[in-house]
Amino acid sequence: DAGVTQSPTHLIKTRGQQVTLRCSPKSGHDTVSWYQQALGQGPQFIFQYYEEEERQRGNFPDRFSGHQFPNYSSELNVNALLLGDSALYLCASSLQGAGTEAFFGQGTRLTVV
Amino acid sequence: EDKVVQSPLSLVVHEGDTVTLNCSYEVTNFRSLLWYKQEKKAPTFLFMLTSSGIEKKSGRLSSILDKKELFSILNITATQTGDSAIYLCAVSPTGTASKLTFGTGTRLQVTL
Repeated sequence: DAGVTQSPTHLIKTRGQQVTLRCSPKSGHDTVSWYQQALGQGPQFIFQYYEEEERQRGNFPDRFSGHQFPNYSSELNVNALLLGDSALYLCASSLQGAGTEAFFGQGTRLTVV
Repeated sequence: EDKVVQSPLSLVVHEGDTVTLNCSYEVTNFRSLLWYKQEKKAPTFLFMLTSSGIEKKSGRLSSILDKKELFSILNITATQTGDSAIYLCAVSPTGTASKLTFGTGTRLQVTL
C-alpha cells in the first residue's frame, strides 16, 4: 500500500516563474491538504481539497492555487515566485469525516533564486 | 486564530535520559491534538489525543492531554540517538480533517 507520494523531490526556480507540485494521496484517502514549512518553522496550512473543491484556505495569497483530480490526486501551483516562497512543501492526505490522523508525504523542497 | 506553542524549542540530552516535551494550544472547536516526529522531511504520526487524562503509549513514548488547561505533554523514556528529531504538536478543529495548526516544534538531540 503506497503512502503519500509527492513529486518532484527538489526544485530550483527563478523569481517570477511559476511552479507546479504534485501529490498522490494514500490509498483510500479522499482529502488532500497542502502545507508550507519554512526553515525552523512548523508546517503552515495552505489549503485543503475534497471532492475536487477547495474547502479551507489558510492565510496565503492568491498566487497559491490548487486542483484536485477525480482520482483524488492534487496539484499545488504557485505563480510569480518570490524568494520567500523557498520552503518545504508538504502534502497530507486523510479521509474526510473519519476523525483519523493525516499522513504526510516526503515533501518537495522548493528553492527560489 | 488557532495557536500552538511548544517548549522547549531545543533540547540536548544524553542517551538514556527521560525527556518531557510541552505543547499548549488555543483552538476554536477543538477536535484533537496530534504529535508528529520529523526526522528529515515527512512528519510521521505518533499520537492523536481527543480525551483528557487518557495516556497513550507506544513503546518508550507516551502522551497525555489536559483539555481544561489546554496542554499536552510527550514523554520519551530511555532516550536513544534514533530519537533525535523535531517533534511537532498540532491541533485540529472539528469538522475539518487534516486542517492542522502546528507549533514551531521542539528539536531534540540525543548524544552518546
